[in-house]
Amino acid sequence: EAGVTQSPTHLIKTRGQQATLRCSPISGHTSVYWYQQALGLGLQFLLWYDEGEERNRGNFPPRFSGRQFPNYSSELNVNALELEDSALYLCASSWDGPEAFFGQGTRLTVV
Amino acid sequence: RKEVEQDPGPFNVPEGATVAFNCTYSNSASQSFFWYRQDCRKEPKLLMSVYSSGNEDGRFTAQLNRASQYISLLIRDSKLSDSATYLCAVSQGWNNNDMRFGAGTRLTVKP
Repeated sequence: EAGVTQSPTHLIKTRGQQATLRCSPISGHTSVYWYQQALGLGLQFLLWYDEGEERNRGNFPPRFSGRQFPNYSSELNVNALELEDSALYLCASSWDGPEAFFGQGTRLTVV
Repeated sequence: RKEVEQDPGPFNVPEGATVAFNCTYSNSASQSFFWYRQDCRKEPKLLMSVYSSGNEDGRFTAQLNRASQYISLLIRDSKLSDSATYLCAVSQGWNNNDMRFGAGTRLTVKP
């Protein structure tokens, strides 16, 4: 069974640009979570989607947004990129409850 | 106060040692608790769930103390392959599945 897949694995953008990160959950999982992990720091909760709706949002500015599609895949958009947005962005999925499984992440570098 | 706090580490132990990590959480409504393992530059992987009655998986034992709002992870007979960062994760309450993570405790097991 395929795990959580994220694309791209690496992304380099310049300050002010927009970045789009994608996540495909494990088959049958309806919840998708997004986390940011800056170098040397813990995972910071960004967004939680379930059944196509945003269920909760972390303490991030509105330029971080996303959506979940009918097939439960998800997209994270970061507008007006800043240097401090450079981080590993992790997507996780779960079916019924909080036990979540992570993808390998997208490493975003803003230059 | 952070939502989830962990021993900062690092823990450097010899092979065969027993090591314990603690994690405290601030949200008394939290319902689900987990330990994840994260290898360098990799995604977190679920190690074990933590139940009120405590649970054991081979050399790993997890405990939950709701009254004091902490969870613990005990690793017996440490192996070199146990070297990693251990993250505790805590859900936000009933029907609120997104988790908050501690910053992680780094463990290095030496020959």
